[in-house]
Amino acid sequence: GEDVEQSLFLSVREGDSSVINCTYTDSSSTYLYWYKQEPGAGLQLLTYIFSNMDMKQDQRLTVLLNKKDKHLSLRIADTQTGDSAIYFCAEIPFVGGGNKLTFGTGTQLKVEL
Amino acid sequence: SAVISQKPSRDICQRGTSLTIQCQVDSQVTMMFWYRQQPGQSLTLIATANQGSEATYESGFVIDKFPISRPNLTFSTLTVSNMSPEDSSIYLCSVEASNYGYTFGSGTRLTVV
Repeated sequence: GEDVEQSLFLSVREGDSSVINCTYTDSSSTYLYWYKQEPGAGLQLLTYIFSNMDMKQDQRLTVLLNKKDKHLSLRIADTQTGDSAIYFCAEIPFVGGGNKLTFGTGTQLKVEL
Repeated sequence: SAVISQKPSRDICQRGTSLTIQCQVDSQVTMMFWYRQQPGQSLTLIATANQGSEATYESGFVIDKFPISRPNLTFSTLTVSNMSPEDSSIYLCSVEASNYGYTFGSGTRLTVV
């Protein structure tokens, strides 16, 4: 079966960069996602990357994918207190056809002043 | 992308009772997904709901405990039946937002006492 692992906790100072890491085992993963969950809220899709890409940048967010090592990371530049949340990576072979998302364990990001 | 309205946002229920959670989507979607997020845990898929057919349940989840309705392409309900404290979780619905991602409802925080 597929496993998606993340470190449980990350603490950074406001203004620093945050790097959240994710490793997965399913080599057929084609779409990889990062979701944000604020306290008491649902999941917000932050960004995604296709497996044929190495990097994707979207404003303060940079996603790096090392498909050989099955390693995905999310870098948040100039981290703000509003970035404090739980971040989940997720993967799927392809969208549709009844395929299901497999979520990582989640990383709680705490941003300190 | 699709917008999901999920309700109730939270509830406190007595053990032995049942709660029905509703998800309304602002566009027609083929599949809707129901997830459970136990305290401090990641998301686990309960079932996939297609309009006009029985829901498909994941291992460990059964229809008698989590009956699902899908009367049309914009609406679905999940019932948590005969609740016990172990059912205390966040329940989320999800749909394919586009050809690259999935959108989630804001979640229902259930506490069983």
